[in-house]
Amino acid sequence: DTGVSQNPRHKITKRGQNVTFRCDPISEHNRLYWYRQTLGQGPEFLTYFQNEAQLEKSRLLSDRFSAERPKGSFSTLEIQRTEQGDSAMYLCASSLSQVNTEAFFGQGTRLTVV
Amino acid sequence: DAKTTQPTSMDCAEGRAANLPCNHSTISGNEYVYWYRQIHSQGPQYIIHGLKNNETNEMASLIITEDRKSSTLILPHATLRDTAVYYCIVMNAGGTSYGKLTFGQGTILTVHP
Repeated sequence: DTGVSQNPRHKITKRGQNVTFRCDPISEHNRLYWYRQTLGQGPEFLTYFQNEAQLEKSRLLSDRFSAERPKGSFSTLEIQRTEQGDSAMYLCASSLSQVNTEAFFGQGTRLTVV
Repeated sequence: DAKTTQPTSMDCAEGRAANLPCNHSTISGNEYVYWYRQIHSQGPQYIIHGLKNNETNEMASLIITEDRKSSTLILPHATLRDTAVYYCIVMNAGGTSYGKLTFGQGTILTVHP
């Protein structure tokens, strides 16, 4: 296992289009997190899963955003009707579901909405 | 989760130790101190974490004051590749939200030749 994998690495889309990103976590990690990072800012939490259950969603996650983690393995983040303000780096991280552990991040998907 | 305060930027000469401070005066007893770094256009990289004891791994050392209100990340021999944004994060170890990281602005560390 080479770590958290995210695809695609880059996505350019026209405003109004739908986009979907995929995250493959480290295989034994049952927690999976999504973050968003805009230029010059630290990452901001969006949502997280424990196995297939989505346990928390940030208020940043508008109704145009939906995340799934079927079967508790990979996860997808979909943005519908993209807006220019959605342009950002979308980061995925995974961890074990225990205290005193660390989360490992993928390289992110950079979304540009034109 | 407790809030952290870090200097906006720091410089360090290559080969010297880089000491990055972090203030977390409102930290509570079950909150861990985590350090991550982010090199330009990459995902954050885990460095080290601790509760109250000093910790050391192959990347760095973490010194936590006895009252736990502040900590210092030490990179013992900084290299040019250590140039990055360093984030100090306090995370609650209890409840269902543990593992969720709240990033601040971090410290931009620049290592000079």
